[in-house]
Amino acid sequence: RKEVEQDPGPFNVPEGATVAFNCTYSNSASQSFFWYRQDCRKEPKLLMSVYSSGNEDGRFTAQLNRASQYISLLIRDSKLSDSATYLCVVNSDAGNMLTFGGGTRLMVKP
Amino acid sequence: ETGVTQTPRHLVMGMTNKKSLKCEQHLGHNAMYWYKQSAKKPLELMFVYSLEERVENNSVPSRFSPECPNSSHLFLHLHTLQPEDSALYLCASSQASMADTQYFGPGTRLTVL
Repeated sequence: RKEVEQDPGPFNVPEGATVAFNCTYSNSASQSFFWYRQDCRKEPKLLMSVYSSGNEDGRFTAQLNRASQYISLLIRDSKLSDSATYLCVVNSDAGNMLTFGGGTRLMVKP
Repeated sequence: ETGVTQTPRHLVMGMTNKKSLKCEQHLGHNAMYWYKQSAKKPLELMFVYSLEERVENNSVPSRFSPECPNSSHLFLHLHTLQPEDSALYLCASSQASMADTQYFGPGTRLTVL
């Protein structure tokens, strides 16, 4: 089983839609969780950390489900500029290293 | 944004060449990383330095040789590479703990002929 698994997509949604991505992780002892965003041919950039109680940043909501070992990212009122690949990141099985998922590609259409 | 810079941005080299990638961080961080990103594959961690000491070498072939002369600079020396080494090489830094938020440079896109 991959350490961090994501549906690669692409998710094609119209502007204004709500879209959700899930990510599963294998290490039940993982403590740190993040969502990064990577635009085409650019470097990954932190979108938001994911906290146990869930957290929101504008149109973005992140949730953590420890029992089922998955993380979700919800994007409301999608904008064209949200088109990117979203990377799920968690502690690796090795302990204190971050492991990146393969990313989920989102394409928002007019 | 100039928190983490990388040079060169693009590099084409033959299999017999020797070249070096450079990374510099201006964030006052203590940990630096090299990642490899190949097409349609997740980021692969190559090397981790914390306070200028290498703490992780993720079974990377010896044709890749890192160097960290101080906490702000990181190099990746390349020699006798293979075509399958063609990829985007990303440098990142973080405050202290390797589980902290990592900030990435723009990457060097490497093509090995």
